[in-house]
Amino acid sequence: GAGVSQSPSNKVTEKGKDVELRCDPISGHTALYWYRQSLGQGLEFLIYFQGNSAPDKSGLPSDRFSAERTGGSVSTLTIQRTQQEDSAVYLCASSLQGHPTDTQYFGPGTRLTVL
Amino acid sequence: AQSVTQLGSHVSVSEGALVLLRCNYSSSVPPYLFWYVQYPNQGLQLLLKYTSAATLVKGINGFEAEFKKSETSFHLTKPSAHMSDAAEYFCAVSRAGGGNKLTFGTGTQLKVEL
Repeated sequence: GAGVSQSPSNKVTEKGKDVELRCDPISGHTALYWYRQSLGQGLEFLIYFQGNSAPDKSGLPSDRFSAERTGGSVSTLTIQRTQQEDSAVYLCASSLQGHPTDTQYFGPGTRLTVL
Repeated sequence: AQSVTQLGSHVSVSEGALVLLRCNYSSSVPPYLFWYVQYPNQGLQLLLKYTSAATLVKGINGFEAEFKKSETSFHLTKPSAHMSDAAEYFCAVSRAGGGNKLTFGTGTQLKVEL
């Protein structure tokens, strides 16, 4: 079956511009996660959606970052006024129910480069 | 709070040799532990996970890991390395009440030499 997909695969933007990154989770998965992978910080959690519950935004690094999940499926991560330190690979994952033992299935990521 | 420490950012083994990648965790509650592998320019793929059932966990591609509470460890092993095992390996932890978000270690790059 189809896995987690992300678009675009690569995004180059200029400092100060806004960007939107998209994630399509596996059909039927109620939980969706965003992580960021960068050389300096490793893999870090950003935000977590579970069903209709309020998202866990505890990992978002600043108020320039936001995310939404429409209709319990597709999610968009938005970064406003991008900075060079935002350059990283943004990974999306989904899991069946959001239980701590669930396997998270990862997409291929979006590589963001801020010039 | 929970954290994971992976000793050795780079490990090199000969093809056919034992692979041992180390992971130690810190958690205030019983943890759930995962090993993921990342091949170049790809997302992460689950190798295996510990969910408080059997302490010796077998995964894909011949990998296994043993949960040792007394040592707070979850080391990954494979008896015989193959060239295709060259990749980056991440240990991760989640816990009940933690919303299933994963806390990752810094990763270990495995190199397999002829």
